[in-house]
Amino acid sequence: GENVEQHPSTLSVQEGDSAVIKCTYSDSASNYFPWYKQELGKGPQLIIDIRSNVGEKKDQRIAVTLNKTAKHFSLHITETQPEDSAVYFCAAKSNFNKFYFGSGTKLNVKP
Amino acid sequence: KAGVTQTPRYLIKTRGQQVTLSCSPISGHRSVSWYQQTPGQGLQFLFEYFSETQRNKGNFPGRFSGRQFSNSRSEMNVSTLELGDSALYLCASSLTDFYGYTFGSGTRLTVV
Repeated sequence: GENVEQHPSTLSVQEGDSAVIKCTYSDSASNYFPWYKQELGKGPQLIIDIRSNVGEKKDQRIAVTLNKTAKHFSLHITETQPEDSAVYFCAAKSNFNKFYFGSGTKLNVKP
Repeated sequence: KAGVTQTPRYLIKTRGQQVTLSCSPISGHRSVSWYQQTPGQGLQFLFEYFSETQRNKGNFPGRFSGRQFSNSRSEMNVSTLELGDSALYLCASSLTDFYGYTFGSGTRLTVV
C-alpha cells in the first residue's frame, strides 16, 4: 500500500519567516494530496490541496507544490504568524479512496 | 452549514467495557471515515462507510466495528476496551471521492 513520510517532525520559525514542510509518497497511482492543520483540541482542518494534474497551487500565504516524478509534495507558508502555530499533516489518496497520512509536523511560530 | 458533529466530546471508560461513538456528517455527505489519533501512532485509519456499506477497513482488531445509517450518520463501537484504546477518535465526511475530508472535533476516549 501507500506510504507517506513527512519531515520535519518539528519546525520552529520566527514570525515573518517562511516555513516549508515536505512529504514523500510511494504509490505512483496516488492522485490527490491534501494538507491539514490541527490546532489544540480540534480536528484537522483542510487548508489546501492539489491534484496530480497540477504542479503548484497557491492560496494567499500558503502554497503547495507537487513533483510527481520524484513523488514528493511540499507545503510552503510565507510571512508566518503566531496563529499559524499548529500541527500540519500531509496526506495522499490512492486508488480505492484510501487516504494515507504523514506523521505530522508541529510548527511553532515565535513572536 | 453545520460541520461534522461528534458526540460525546469526552468519555472515560473502564477496561473491559464497551463504548459507542457517534458521528453526524455534513448534510449531503455520504462517505464517513473514522480515524484513531494517538501521539505515538498519528492518524490511523479505522474504516470508511459509503451508503451504509463498509467500503474500506484498516488494520484494527475485530473489537472495533462501525455502521452507517440511511441518513449517513455513523457509529463506531469498541468492545472489551483496553488501556491502549485511549485516543482521540476522529470522524470525517466527504461529498464524493473527488473531494477531501471534513473532520469533526473528535471524541477523546480515556480507558482506565
